[in-house]
Amino acid sequence: GAVVSQHPSRVICKSGTSVKIECRSLDFQATTMFWYRQFPKQSLMLMATSNEGSKATYEQGVEKDKFLINHASLTLSTLTVTSAHPEDSSFYICSASRTGGEAFFGQGTRLTVV
Amino acid sequence: AQKVTQAQTEISVVEKEDVTLDCVYETRDTTYYLFWYKQPPSGELVFLIRRNSFDEQNEISGRYSWNFQKSTSSFNFTITASQVVDSAVYFCALSGVNTDKLIFGTGTRLQVFP
Repeated sequence: GAVVSQHPSRVICKSGTSVKIECRSLDFQATTMFWYRQFPKQSLMLMATSNEGSKATYEQGVEKDKFLINHASLTLSTLTVTSAHPEDSSFYICSASRTGGEAFFGQGTRLTVV
Repeated sequence: AQKVTQAQTEISVVEKEDVTLDCVYETRDTTYYLFWYKQPPSGELVFLIRRNSFDEQNEISGRYSWNFQKSTSSFNFTITASQVVDSAVYFCALSGVNTDKLIFGTGTRLQVFP
């Protein structure tokens, strides 16, 4: 089956630094990937839609300058949390789909900003 | 607007009991997809089922079964003879057919005790 790989699975960073999270579709090409955020014991909220070769589409309330998304190839999207603060600590998870198919999720990245 | 409601926040059962997780959705789309995902403590999302809105047949997969009732906008999930390994958070989700982005419910935490 299709696999989406997300890296790293856990990261701890100091306040003010930037963190990059990678999302790769391993056996199919994904023109679109999605980034979600999940606070503890809460649901997954869509942050943005990552479009290969063009700018990401952000959901209302998500700061695009803080959460930089790059989708440089059909198999890789990256989310960079810039100038991270403790309130950015969360579980970030990406998904990718074949056209018309089910969404496959990465393993998620647990970010802790200290 | 699209919305998914999972009214049950937490459910506790004893092993071998049957349990039903409720999901009610709202959408103006005439065609859409409904999903169920399982999220164990490790955090990854495990795909369980995708159902097209045109297909109202109930589905059974081992101990899992799903009851889709378009008339009441519900897509309930039943686990028969629950096991401790079923303990997880279960999410119901909705998407349109022209997009792969998912709208998640708030999740139901299921605890199965031995």
